[in-house]
Amino acid sequence: EAGVTQFPSHSVIEKGQTVTLRCDPISGHDNLYWYRRVMGKEIKFLLHFVKESKQDESGMPNNRFLAERTGGTYSTLKVQPAELEDSGVYFCASSLENVNYGYTFGSGTRLTVV
Amino acid sequence: LAKTTQPISMDSYEGQEVNITCSHNNIATNDYITWYQQFPSQGPRFIIQGYKTKVTNEVASLFIPADRKSSTLSLPRVSLSDTAVYYCLVGYTGGFKTIFGAGTRLFVKA
Repeated sequence: EAGVTQFPSHSVIEKGQTVTLRCDPISGHDNLYWYRRVMGKEIKFLLHFVKESKQDESGMPNNRFLAERTGGTYSTLKVQPAELEDSGVYFCASSLENVNYGYTFGSGTRLTVV
Repeated sequence: LAKTTQPISMDSYEGQEVNITCSHNNIATNDYITWYQQFPSQGPRFIIQGYKTKVTNEVASLFIPADRKSSTLSLPRVSLSDTAVYYCLVGYTGGFKTIFGAGTRLFVKA
């Protein structure tokens, strides 16, 4: 089966611009998670979707970040306007059930804000 | 949420067995212990998961004592390709919130 796909793999944007990251989970996986690693620090949870609903968005840093999962399939994470401190690697993961094992992660999107 | 403590880094040689221990003193009753491996420019990859005692798969073994306050990932006969960061995670549902930790950077030398 295809794994979790993230697009783009790299993005370089200027401060103040908008960027949209996309994640395609494994087909049939209702649970989708976003994480990020900022500037070499620890990987941190951002939010969790169950199908199209936001189950938990306690990790979202501020209102410049907007995540959507229309139709319960792929998800997008929009950063608007981007700031320098948003640079980092954004990971997406999916799982069939909402239990913490066997997650499949994507390869991540490396975002650089200049 | 249970937090984990692991060594920052470890060195080993090809063919040796490597044991990485993780402390999770405030693990909850429902929490499972899961280990992931991450190579540069890739997302974390699931290795093994357990609740108590010993679990073994084709890649590794996981030893969990009765009190579950720690766990040890055992990699038999490592090779150069096992050089990676290894994360110990605890939790049950909802996505490993804030408890990914820094991981253990394993460097395997020839």
